[in-house]
Amino acid sequence: DAGVIQSPRHEVTEMGQEVTLRCKPISGHDYLFWYRQTMMRGLELLIYFNNNVPIDDSGMPEDRFSAKMPNASFSTLKIQPSEPRDSAVYFCASAKGTARTEAFFGQGTRLTVV
Amino acid sequence: AQSVTQPDIHITVSEGASLELRCNYSYGATPYLFWYVQSPGQGLQLLLKYFSGDTLVQGIKGFEAEFKRSQSSFNLRKPSVHWSDAAEYFCALFSGGYNKLIFGAGTRLAVHP
Repeated sequence: DAGVIQSPRHEVTEMGQEVTLRCKPISGHDYLFWYRQTMMRGLELLIYFNNNVPIDDSGMPEDRFSAKMPNASFSTLKIQPSEPRDSAVYFCASAKGTARTEAFFGQGTRLTVV
Repeated sequence: AQSVTQPDIHITVSEGASLELRCNYSYGATPYLFWYVQSPGQGLQLLLKYFSGDTLVQGIKGFEAEFKRSQSSFNLRKPSVHWSDAAEYFCALFSGGYNKLIFGAGTRLAVHP
């Protein structure tokens, strides 16, 4: 398997624009996680899905952030409108069977909002 | 409160020297503990994990970690560091109550030749 695939790897956008980050989990994995990594706050879990259903979105910072998982092989994280403080690396991870097993991480999307 | 503390933000060692990265946790029940490594520009990769049983766990790349309940610690060790080990290391705790991983702030390891 190619692992967790995220796109794009880098995104630079202007404040106020909509940004969509994409993730393809490992085939057969039933958990999908979105994390944000910043210098100030470290790794934060934003939201996770089980069998395509959002289970816990308490980490989503505000209504500008939304995430969907329309099927088992694709998820998006959308920020609308984007702000400079959203600049971070966003990771997608997937796991099989239970949230406490090994999570496999994608390479991340580095988002810069100017 | 459930938390993970990595006291050392940066550590520098010489190649070939031994390494110990500290991790302390706060959790009310038996913890599920993990160490992940993040190379520059990459995602996180699992080094090892502790669920139960033997308190000394072996991982990939020659790493090991020891779970000490009395000290609430899960320190990562390697007897001889290679230049390729330069990376950031994250200790994590699985929180059953919240059903999610709680990560420490990370320790950035530099290796001098």
